[in-house]
Amino acid sequence: EAQVTQNPRYLITVTGKKLTVTCSQNMNHEYMSWYRQDPGLGLRQIYYSMNVEVTDKGDVPEGYKVSRKEKRNFPLILESPSPNQTSLYFCASSFLAGGINEQFFGPGTRLTVL
Amino acid sequence: AQRVTQPEKLLSVFKGAPVELKCNYSYSGSPELFWYVQYSRQRLQLLLRHISRESIKGFTADLNKGETSFHLKKPFAQEEDSAMYYCALSGLTGGGNKLTFGTGTQLKVEL
Repeated sequence: EAQVTQNPRYLITVTGKKLTVTCSQNMNHEYMSWYRQDPGLGLRQIYYSMNVEVTDKGDVPEGYKVSRKEKRNFPLILESPSPNQTSLYFCASSFLAGGINEQFFGPGTRLTVL
Repeated sequence: AQRVTQPEKLLSVFKGAPVELKCNYSYSGSPELFWYVQYSRQRLQLLLRHISRESIKGFTADLNKGETSFHLKKPFAQEEDSAMYYCALSGLTGGGNKLTFGTGTQLKVEL
């Protein structure tokens, strides 16, 4: 089944403890992206990747890192999480970047930072 | 800078009533516009895109460049339409193509 998967789905952690949220897609998509969803703010893009080894900042990149070593994987890294990073995170992928290309979303990861 | 505005956080209608979810955008070029939907406990998914000029689940959306709007409409709301709806714009920026979402409108269809 063609899909985007994320792990973990739920995570509660403490301030400063490094964590990684994995994202994987099996559709051979070139473009991948991370968003955070907050009440009243909608979806805001954190980072995106046009292809392997090509990443760039979105609208809210502070406090996050990403890597794209393989086409199918695009992990989101929080080196030192803080409470303001408590949010619902979505990974998405599309065949190509932008234009009319549909983005396929993962199921989301709910992160709580205490 | 590109921007998408959805003025209503919550829209409540009765079953069978018409629905219009508003979306206005700001973009200097020719935008590609989308509506995404998120049903309860499900992932975000594409509902429709303006270039397709299609009707999905009874919903339509027309791009009005003069009013810079892309409102989502359905003549008769159904209970299963209750969901969160996001308008999104894909446009060229200095760094390439960027997809910008609005803040979303929660549609509640009441019996």
